[in-house]
Amino acid sequence: DSGVTQTPKHLITATGQRVTLRCSPRSGDLSVYWYQQSLDQGLQFLIQYYNGEERAKGNILERFSAQQFPDLHSELNLSSLELGDSALYFCASSVGTGEIYGYTFGSGTRLTVV
Amino acid sequence: GQQVMQIPQYQHVQEGEDFTTYCNSSTTLSNIQWYKQRPGGHPVFLIQLVKSGEVKKQKRLTFQFGEAKKNSSLHITATQTTDVGTYFCADSSNTGKLIFGQGTTLQVKP
Repeated sequence: DSGVTQTPKHLITATGQRVTLRCSPRSGDLSVYWYQQSLDQGLQFLIQYYNGEERAKGNILERFSAQQFPDLHSELNLSSLELGDSALYFCASSVGTGEIYGYTFGSGTRLTVV
Repeated sequence: GQQVMQIPQYQHVQEGEDFTTYCNSSTTLSNIQWYKQRPGGHPVFLIQLVKSGEVKKQKRLTFQFGEAKKNSSLHITATQTTDVGTYFCADSSNTGKLIFGQGTTLQVKP
């Protein structure tokens, strides 16, 4: 157990639907990062939050949104789902930004859009 | 924007052979982090390199950062079946976000 908790582990949903992925960071970590991993795209950075505020944005689609709550857990909302959104979604956390200990990743949510 | 290229994409080796993966960038890298992802698992942090020319070792793993901070490598000596997985390099930015290379998937034949 890495200390980063992601739920659910698996999700199967239909095109056009909306889902919410949840992440609880490791205790004491203030930064949360969301990544999408598909077979042909590697680990794509989506968005970063630090202590409740959006800190950096990557190639996140407008259909996707995220937030970090006061208790530091984060949610990634994916709407109007398309077949191409099927992927592994990882959440990672770190104490701050740019420190030497690296990210701690959760075990991921596997999203299948049918 | 930031882009980190990693080669090779796949590598099959016989157990006991050495393995190297390379990470290259056209721009100066801030810091380089290396991660390992076992099949079906999540990325696990291995190490961070910060200084130009830095070399760090972890048992059979040797990590190098180029003098110009535009490339890095991970070398595994005498591979074992437990080394199987995908190795990623990642460039960190001043916000902390990591940009990952495409990864090198290592298969080891016993």
